[in-house]
Amino acid sequence: DTEVTQTPKHLVMGMTNKKSLKCEQHMGHRAMYWYKQKAKKPPELMFVYSYEKLSINESVPSRFSPECPNSSLLNLHLHALQPEDSALYLCASSQALGREPYSYEQYFGPGTRLTVT
Amino acid sequence: DQQVKQNSPSLSVQEGRISILNCDYTNSMFDYFLWYKKYPAEGPTFLISISSIKDKNEDGRFTVFLNKSAKHLSLHIVPSQPGDSAVYFCAASEETSGSRLTFGEGTQLTVNP
Repeated sequence: DTEVTQTPKHLVMGMTNKKSLKCEQHMGHRAMYWYKQKAKKPPELMFVYSYEKLSINESVPSRFSPECPNSSLLNLHLHALQPEDSALYLCASSQALGREPYSYEQYFGPGTRLTVT
Repeated sequence: DQQVKQNSPSLSVQEGRISILNCDYTNSMFDYFLWYKKYPAEGPTFLISISSIKDKNEDGRFTVFLNKSAKHLSLHIVPSQPGDSAVYFCAASEETSGSRLTFGEGTQLTVNP
């Protein structure tokens, strides 16, 4: 089973709203990621969690707030977003970081299509 | 500075023929390479990968070739099928930052029946 699930599939929010994106995997992976993807562009890394701890924040604005409640779940809390934040938000997971055998394959969820109005 | 480049934004092939997607990289520290396939409105799907200690990896209709001296890799799909029509992303990583994949810009493959 290489499934990563994400909810909701689509989200429309105003600039003053607070919403959350959710991601779940049951592959026993200990690394989880948030990416942002604009049309016709490659995914851009936002955050990396390793063993439920934030290990990478790619200088993402504070209006995006990640949370990893346990090894299977990853949330992205959204507040006061801008229209330019509209994009496909992808969650991914992989085996533990920094442990042999090194495994770089990341498995992506279907994404949440976010529109900020 | 784009460290992973896919110079062909699109490729069109006939069903049954071979599709060859190319990728070049500039960072000599990259030691692991991956190909992902993406349909519209879906997340990327992992296809195949190759370690820098190999020059070829095959999985069914998909074969990835790595030429380290040229810093070039390619994905061969044979025979191509209409369902292969998608955007293909090349990605690279290095052992010391295994968490960070550097993606190319993608190539839109269209397989015509």
